[in-house]
Amino acid sequence: AQKITQTQPGMFVQEKEAVTLDCTYDTSDPSYGLFWYKQPSSGEMIFLIYQGSYDQQNATEGRYSLNFQKARKSANLVISASQLGDSAMYFCAMRAGSTGANNLFFGTGTRLTVIP
Amino acid sequence: DAGVIQSPRHEVTEMGQEVTLRCKPISGHDYLFWYRQTMMRGLELLIYFNNNVPIDDSGMPEDRFSAKMPNASFSTLKIQPSEPRDSAVYFCASSFMALITGNTIYFGEGSWLTVV
Repeated sequence: AQKITQTQPGMFVQEKEAVTLDCTYDTSDPSYGLFWYKQPSSGEMIFLIYQGSYDQQNATEGRYSLNFQKARKSANLVISASQLGDSAMYFCAMRAGSTGANNLFFGTGTRLTVIP
Repeated sequence: DAGVIQSPRHEVTEMGQEVTLRCKPISGHDYLFWYRQTMMRGLELLIYFNNNVPIDDSGMPEDRFSAKMPNASFSTLKIQPSEPRDSAVYFCASSFMALITGNTIYFGEGSWLTVV
């Protein structure tokens, strides 16, 4: 069975500072993918970044980077130089391997608040 | 390019009424997903289609829920009869090829359903 855990219900960060949002996962399948989505107050789900289980390097997309520690089964999202517009819910998600490979399992989310 | 388009954005209906949610996926995407988001259960997959064919409907809560995809550019999720516990945000999402290739799912803005 696949499981995604986000242990931080809420986080605060000062504008222009970096913040790390935690995500741990559990799967017995060697092939999997990890995703981060942002959900602002308007409700839409916005794709941020993807990391494959066989990727050698950590994924980066602009101010977003994914700290992938395979042995620890963690895939933390790092946002550098936080902006007020980064205030939102952030969801970590995992795509299963050979079974149910087309489903995304979501964590419970972390609400990030950027303080001016 | 147009994203995933959902309608209605907001719906308030009385218990027992039929509700129909509509979705137009991104052109060229061959996978379509319906997700439901609630405070209690988070984001959960209801059903997904590949090339208009339902592949996995194990997440559909009960017989009151049904989904169809008559063609590549249109899908519906129907609830009949609706109940207050169906109140949630319903997301439609689409993807090009299977997630196993790392392609992400793109979400619509959601349909906010309230059943009173």
